[in-house]
Amino acid sequence: AQSVTQLDSHVSVSEGTPVLLRCNYSSSYSPSLFWYVQHPNKGLQLLLKYTSAATLVKGINGFEAEFKKSETSFHLTKPSAHMSDAAEYFCVVSLTSGTYKYIFGTGTRLKVLA
Amino acid sequence: NAGVTQTPKFQVLKTGQSMTLQCAQDMNHEYMSWYRQDPGMGLRLIHYSVGAGITDQGEVPNGYNVSRSTTEDFPLRLLSAAPSQTSVYFCASSYRRGASTGELFFGEGSRLTVL
Repeated sequence: AQSVTQLDSHVSVSEGTPVLLRCNYSSSYSPSLFWYVQHPNKGLQLLLKYTSAATLVKGINGFEAEFKKSETSFHLTKPSAHMSDAAEYFCVVSLTSGTYKYIFGTGTRLKVLA
Repeated sequence: NAGVTQTPKFQVLKTGQSMTLQCAQDMNHEYMSWYRQDPGMGLRLIHYSVGAGITDQGEVPNGYNVSRSTTEDFPLRLLSAAPSQTSVYFCASSYRRGASTGELFFGEGSRLTVL
């Protein structure tokens, strides 16, 4: 069975410092992996996606993530946090064997301190 | 560029009432799904469909019905609303390209309150 675990429910960083949001997945097949962001009372926006091409994936707003098969991880990073990055972030896994579906992690709420 | 359209955006129901959340997409996506979002629980999959006439249950299907008679539409029916179904509901669609799945495209969400 496939699943995804976001290791931190809350992360706080100071503005201008690096961001690391951790995601581990389990999947019997080659997964597609995604990060979404949700600002308060808003919908979900795609940050980036991994679909078996380059293992280092660049997304919008300076975010990037690295797919590490040996560690079954897909951590999200950003070199320098901005106040506007404060939001909830979701890691999502899908697989394509047979009937496919997408499973969400429980989310990481990022707080950015001035 | 309509994308995924959900209606209504807000709804208040009394316990025991029924209603349908509508979802339509104009991208010819084969995959459509419904999620509910509750604080601290992320998005949980209710039902999904990989094409017209094909539906399957997700993690939390009880109390909800779906059908997929066309590629474009995927309505979610609450048969007898309960307070536990108070939530924000998202419809999402996607596509498959070769061995990979594409990203999910989301509607704006429907906030449902059951009294």
